[in-house]
Amino acid sequence: AQTVTQSQPEMSVQEAETVTLSCTYDTSESDYYLFWYKQPPSRQMILVIRQEAYKQQNATENRFSVNFQKAAKSFSLKISDSQLGDAAMYFCAYRSPNTGNQFYFGTGTSLTVIP
Amino acid sequence: EADIYQTPRYLVIGTGKKITLECSQTMGHDKMYWYQQDPGMELHLIHYSYGVNSTEKGDLSSESTVSRIRTEHFPLTLESARPSHTSQYLCASSEPGIGVLNEQYFGPGTRLTVT
Repeated sequence: AQTVTQSQPEMSVQEAETVTLSCTYDTSESDYYLFWYKQPPSRQMILVIRQEAYKQQNATENRFSVNFQKAAKSFSLKISDSQLGDAAMYFCAYRSPNTGNQFYFGTGTSLTVIP
Repeated sequence: EADIYQTPRYLVIGTGKKITLECSQTMGHDKMYWYQQDPGMELHLIHYSYGVNSTEKGDLSSESTVSRIRTEHFPLTLESARPSHTSQYLCASSEPGIGVLNEQYFGPGTRLTVT
């Protein structure tokens, strides 16, 4: 099974500042998909952003962007202009096209936003 | 928010009881999943289904069982609950298609405590 590593159990950021959450993964596949999910306290897990491995251009969704380094197997999430509502657990996930729709999740990073 | 529902949201039950955690989705998704997540920890896949009458065990061994009699319904059952089953259980579903950039939609979770 693929492994996804999030080396930062906890991160904090001042409101309006920028923070980057790291994610690395291990795979021998050349085609795959990467995701960042957000899980606010006691609320539903929702998708933040996704990236196709064969696309070199980094995905962007409003204040959220990724830095996808395929050779380094790195997929970091950058949150710009952080807001209080960004406080949550963030999970990096890997999906292989060869194992159905099975996702592999990292251990998560707990993000605190300081007013 | 996604149209995927879980009941109950919270459950406290005694050891030895039989319990069923309900999960239903109204999106017509063929693929459904059950994850187990301890507080602040990663998600572990325990069961998945690719359609009616299809069920498979995930990476994490679990004493629970699942059934998929209807597309929209994917209940999880514990025949005899134990304190080691205390955890959060997340249900998810996704659209069909391998190799397509499909996300998983998550339910709100059931937080189970076995005393």
